[in-house]
Amino acid sequence: QVQLQESGPGLVKPSQTLSLTCTVSGGSISSGTYYWSWVRQPAGKGLEWIGRIYISGSTNYNPSLKSRVTISVDTSKNQFSLRLSSVTAADTAVYYCARDDRLRSYNWFDPWGQGTLVTVSS
Amino acid sequence: DIQMTQSPSSLSASVGDRVTITCRASQMISNYLNWYQQKSGKPPNLLIYAASSLQRGVPSRFSGSGSDTDFTLTISGLQPEDFATYYCQQSLDTPRTFGQGTRVEIK
Repeated sequence: QVQLQESGPGLVKPSQTLSLTCTVSGGSISSGTYYWSWVRQPAGKGLEWIGRIYISGSTNYNPSLKSRVTISVDTSKNQFSLRLSSVTAADTAVYYCARDDRLRSYNWFDPWGQGTLVTVSS
Repeated sequence: DIQMTQSPSSLSASVGDRVTITCRASQMISNYLNWYQQKSGKPPNLLIYAASSLQRGVPSRFSGSGSDTDFTLTISGLQPEDFATYYCQQSLDTPRTFGQGTRVEIK
């Protein structure tokens, strides 16, 4: 079955850019009609959707982060990526990638990656 | 944005109890509502999609109901492995939004 795995630096300095990659295995990122999403979770807090990308490159972003977020896809590597610029301590969180699965008009997140902790600190 | 509000924020229950968690949307979302279970240090796990459809592999003691603005997740016969945090999430519109979570603890 499809599995997702996040990778990237665990420590980013304030004002710099956070960059993460999600590698999809067990299936092609180009198969089906899926969106691919990023979700984050600060320690001890709830879940925040960051944005998503379709294999065509079409994206949707959370307006709260839109000015700082870029999500891209590399179908040749079966990966999609997140870039978040001008980070502050408030961006410290576990970052998850997830497939935006669907049936007719219904969507849900499944499966998820295991998550990667990114700490913003000098 | 569509705001999702869960209640209670936490609850204590015993094995075998029937547990009900409520989720309210700030506007009508039909049945575009999902439920997830999250255990400490793990990613969320999909339980219910489209308000009442049980995800494959999820035990039948989990059930979901509701429509428009008011939704319920019920665990009929709480098991030790069910102690976790539960989140609702709307999928009607972007940005996708989640409830703040309900922590189910052992009494």
